[in-house]
Amino acid sequence: AQTVTQSQPEMSVQEAETVTLSCTYDTSESDYYLFWYKQPPSRQMILVIRQEAYKQQNATENRFSVNFQKAAKSFSLKISDSQLGDAAMYFCAYRLNNAGNMLTFGGGTRLMVKP
Amino acid sequence: EAGVAQSPRYKIIEKRQSVAFWCNPISGHATLYWYQQILGQGPKLLIQFQNNGVVDDSQLPKDRFSAERLKGVDSTLKIQPAKLEDSAVYLCASSWGHEETQYFGPGTRLLVL
Repeated sequence: AQTVTQSQPEMSVQEAETVTLSCTYDTSESDYYLFWYKQPPSRQMILVIRQEAYKQQNATENRFSVNFQKAAKSFSLKISDSQLGDAAMYFCAYRLNNAGNMLTFGGGTRLMVKP
Repeated sequence: EAGVAQSPRYKIIEKRQSVAFWCNPISGHATLYWYQQILGQGPKLLIQFQNNGVVDDSQLPKDRFSAERLKGVDSTLKIQPAKLEDSAVYLCASSWGHEETQYFGPGTRLLVL
């Protein structure tokens, strides 16, 4: 079974600074997707970024980028120029390709942004 | 484009009572998911529908949980009877197809006393 681990229950960052959230996963498969979701206090889960395992290039979405290390099974999220609105729970998730669309989530990291 | 709608937003019941949650997915989305998110944990998939058929319900506690998606649009999730450990946020999500990005609703927070 696939597992996703987020080892940082809480992180804090100063506004305008950069922060990196860690995620590791365990799988014996080679074709899968990885995701970072953001869940603000309102509870609406929002997709931040996704990475296809077959792509070597790290995904980037504006201030959000990932460091995908397939051999190490590591998938960290970097948030640059942090803003107050970035404060939320962040969940790393894994999905095996061609096997329905079942997402396996990590336990989450709470990000606090200090003004 | 309207997002995934869920109701109610909050529900408090006593153990052994019944409760039902409703979800209206994004228009045109064929795939619908129900997740359970216990406080301090990531969401866990309970059931996945493709149109009005069940794709995966392997983690649904079928002795007390049931779900349906009549006409392949709205869905209801029911718990009967509820237990204390069912206290959680129940998230509904939808996607165009089973390989596409999932969009989540705001969730229903259930407290069982």
